[in-house]
Amino acid sequence: DTGVSQNPRHKITKRGQNVTFRCDPISEHNRLYWYRQTLGQGPEFLTYFQNEAQLEKSRLLSDRFSAERPKGSFSTLEIQRTEQGDSAMYLCASSSIRNEQFFGPGTRLTVL
Amino acid sequence: EDQVTQSPEALRLQEGESSSLNCSYTVSGLRGLFWYRQDPGKGPEFLFTLYSAGEEKEKERLKATLTKKESFLHITAPKPEDSATYLCAVQEGSQGNLIFGKGTKLSVKP
Repeated sequence: DTGVSQNPRHKITKRGQNVTFRCDPISEHNRLYWYRQTLGQGPEFLTYFQNEAQLEKSRLLSDRFSAERPKGSFSTLEIQRTEQGDSAMYLCASSSIRNEQFFGPGTRLTVL
Repeated sequence: EDQVTQSPEALRLQEGESSSLNCSYTVSGLRGLFWYRQDPGKGPEFLFTLYSAGEEKEKERLKATLTKKESFLHITAPKPEDSATYLCAVQEGSQGNLIFGKGTKLSVKP
């Protein structure tokens, strides 16, 4: 399978715990994006990497959120001290210079 | 103020009943307009990119068109398997991220 993959697919955690999600983009894509989607809404942009450089961050990305893309390959998104409002689907997408973003299956986070 | 507005929020069609979904946008310096399909519990699936007014693209029963202020997704003779949420997104200026609308939930009954 050469699409975008995300792990885990589901994560249930207690409030205050830290969680980390992983995204593996399509191998030839140099751009990687993170979005968050809640029920009944479209995805909302969080952050964007070109190769290993983090080029854009949304104001939605509070200090509790951090993303990395070491060596320009896979990316991780960490949420520290989770809150119930963090419950959402976290989506990763990748693109080449053609600009079309291809999404992974998402990681559904539930904070109890 | 929403930059991307989709209508209707929900649409119920009988199999074979053609219709259109609307996406209006207010961003300046449109770099691209994107249509995605999303099934419940899954990530969005890329359908089309449109770059300039007057552009049209087709894929099976779907046809997307673009004007300076809006885009339409026309569905011809839909089938039950076309049931999904259809998302519209725009890319503005030099920004890399997509700005999404809330989507139109399409149900096609046999």
